[in-house]
Amino acid sequence: DTGVSQNPRHKITKRGQNVTFRCDPISEHNRLYWYRQTLGQGPEFLTYFQNEAQLEKSRLLSDRFSAERPKGSFSTLEIQRTEQGDSAMYLCASSFRETYEQYFGPGTRLTVT
Amino acid sequence: AQKVTQAQTEISVVEKEDVTLDCVYETRDTTYYLFWYKQPPSGELVFLIRRNSFDEQNEISGRYSWNFQKSTSSFNFTITASQVVDSAVYFCALSEAVPGANNLFFGTGTRLTVIP
Repeated sequence: DTGVSQNPRHKITKRGQNVTFRCDPISEHNRLYWYRQTLGQGPEFLTYFQNEAQLEKSRLLSDRFSAERPKGSFSTLEIQRTEQGDSAMYLCASSFRETYEQYFGPGTRLTVT
Repeated sequence: AQKVTQAQTEISVVEKEDVTLDCVYETRDTTYYLFWYKQPPSGELVFLIRRNSFDEQNEISGRYSWNFQKSTSSFNFTITASQVVDSAVYFCALSEAVPGANNLFFGTGTRLTVIP
């Protein structure tokens, strides 16, 4: 399978705990995006990487969120001190270059209890 | 500011009927891209089409067709002879071509149910 993959698919955590998600983009795609989707809404942009550089962050990305893409390959998204409002589907997408179509992974569904 | 409006929250049709999903967008840029994605019950967003703002030709792909009208800022999607497998949430999205994130701005989606 050469699509975008994400792990884990589901994560249940208690409020205050830290969680980390992983995204493996399509190889040779230099752009990687993170989005968040809540029930009944379209995905909302969080941040993106061009190769290993994180170039833009949405105001939705509070300082409890951090993302990395070491070596320009896979990416991780960490949420510290989770809150119930963080419960959502976290989607990763990659594209060959800017303005090209983005291919999405299956997402990680986070539930904070 | 960018905005995508999908006024139809839910649509139900009987199998083999045609259905059109509406999308209206707002942007101040002259160069932009429009997209449609399908999100079936499994949850994974599936890319359907990408159009740039300079190409207003309608496009047809099998049972799917898209009508882009710059004059009304609309990019509507028609499914001909709908099938049960078409049941999904469909999202319209906009991306601006200015240097930067070029991230997708999504509408709120239209849930299509095709009744057998």
